[in-house]
Amino acid sequence: GENVEQHPSTLSVQEGDSAVIKCTYSDSASNYFPWYKQELGKGPQLIIDIRSNVGEKKDQRIAVTLNKTAKHFSLHITETQPEDSAVYFCAASTGANNLFFGTGTRLTVIP
Amino acid sequence: DAMVIQNPRYQVTQFGKPVTLSCSQTLNHNVMYWYQQKSSQAPKLLFHYYDKDFNNEADTPDNFQSRRPNTSFCFLDIRSPGLGDAAMYLCATSRVAGGSEQYFGPGTRLTVT
Repeated sequence: GENVEQHPSTLSVQEGDSAVIKCTYSDSASNYFPWYKQELGKGPQLIIDIRSNVGEKKDQRIAVTLNKTAKHFSLHITETQPEDSAVYFCAASTGANNLFFGTGTRLTVIP
Repeated sequence: DAMVIQNPRYQVTQFGKPVTLSCSQTLNHNVMYWYQQKSSQAPKLLFHYYDKDFNNEADTPDNFQSRRPNTSFCFLDIRSPGLGDAAMYLCATSRVAGGSEQYFGPGTRLTVT
């Protein structure tokens, strides 16, 4: 089955700096890659996703890049703010099964 | 305009006492999922319904059951909760199964005493 690895497990950045979280996946048939943000005591919230027919997608301060050849994808957050502090999960799906989640990254933005 | 609603948000039950968690959705999505999430871990899929078709993950304990009486509602029944079942239980929905955006509810935190 699919195996998704996520790094780093914790990340601290100064407010205003950029944050990058990386994930790799094992199943070359995976074609859908969402990112979720989970705040303390809340459910995961979908923040951005990308499908395998594109290499990059951007939504304001958030961007995701996908390298199908290398089987990795990354989340980029620019101009970080304290409210970006949360746990971020990447996930992968082949479209024929359900989501396989990474192990999560705890992001702390230091004011 | 809540889309995926879970009740209660916090549930305390006694060891071995059956408990039911509920989820409802206003998105009219075909698929509903139940996940278990323990502290500092990723959500773990327990099972999902595609319409009325029930799909159980291979490693989901028999202690966990689910019901979906209609499109909007789905229930998680834990027949005999153990201390190891204390966790956050997340309900999610998607329009179709696999490769589709999943929308999560706020979760129910279950404590077993």
